[in-house]
Amino acid sequence: SAVISQKPSRDICQRGTSLTIQCQVDSQVTMMFWYRQQPGQSLTLIATANQGSEATYESGFVIDKFPISRPNLTFSTLTVSNMSPEDSSIYLCSVNWDQETQYFGPGTRLLVL
Amino acid sequence: KQEVTQIPAALSVPEGENLVLNCSFTDSAIYNLQWFRQDPGKGLTSLLLIQSSQREQTSGRLNASLDKSSGRSTLYIAASQPGDSATYLCAVIFAGTYKYIFGTGTRLKVLA
Repeated sequence: SAVISQKPSRDICQRGTSLTIQCQVDSQVTMMFWYRQQPGQSLTLIATANQGSEATYESGFVIDKFPISRPNLTFSTLTVSNMSPEDSSIYLCSVNWDQETQYFGPGTRLLVL
Repeated sequence: KQEVTQIPAALSVPEGENLVLNCSFTDSAIYNLQWFRQDPGKGLTSLLLIQSSQREQTSGRLNASLDKSSGRSTLYIAASQPGDSATYLCAVIFAGTYKYIFGTGTRLKVLA
């Protein structure tokens, strides 16, 4: 199994600022995923982050708004840029373990005022 | 379009009752299906993973079944307890892809 930690666990930010969320895994993994969960909604995949290559973004998400780094096999960051209240969500990172079970971090709760 | 749907959206039952949560998916060609639990304000916990070749998986009081031909999965919870109160999400990896598509979730409340 994989143990995933995220920082920060929560934050309150002002409109127009940016926040970088960190995701750390206790094992080396090929693919890491970033999800968004808006209030009362299910999870929506933002992008897939592979080490050594640019992230692959889902429809509706762009690199300028959600830049992602993947410097090694155990770490990734997601930045939420130029935030607006609509960005208030829980942001979760996850990994596929043995290409089967998916493990999730505890999430970062973001409130944009 | 590949979609995952869960019904009911919310469910409230008395303690001790057996219950079934439903998950439907639009394409029978799937790689696997996974059930998760999410407590309020928390991340997701994996409950059961069913591979495409399997019909069901069991863990304690939980049993998940898979019927690919009808595009359905059920999560059966036996002898429900207040601690089972949470949102239950199913997620599917459709064949030819590598990413999970999540259902809308069922909010379960077990009353003491």
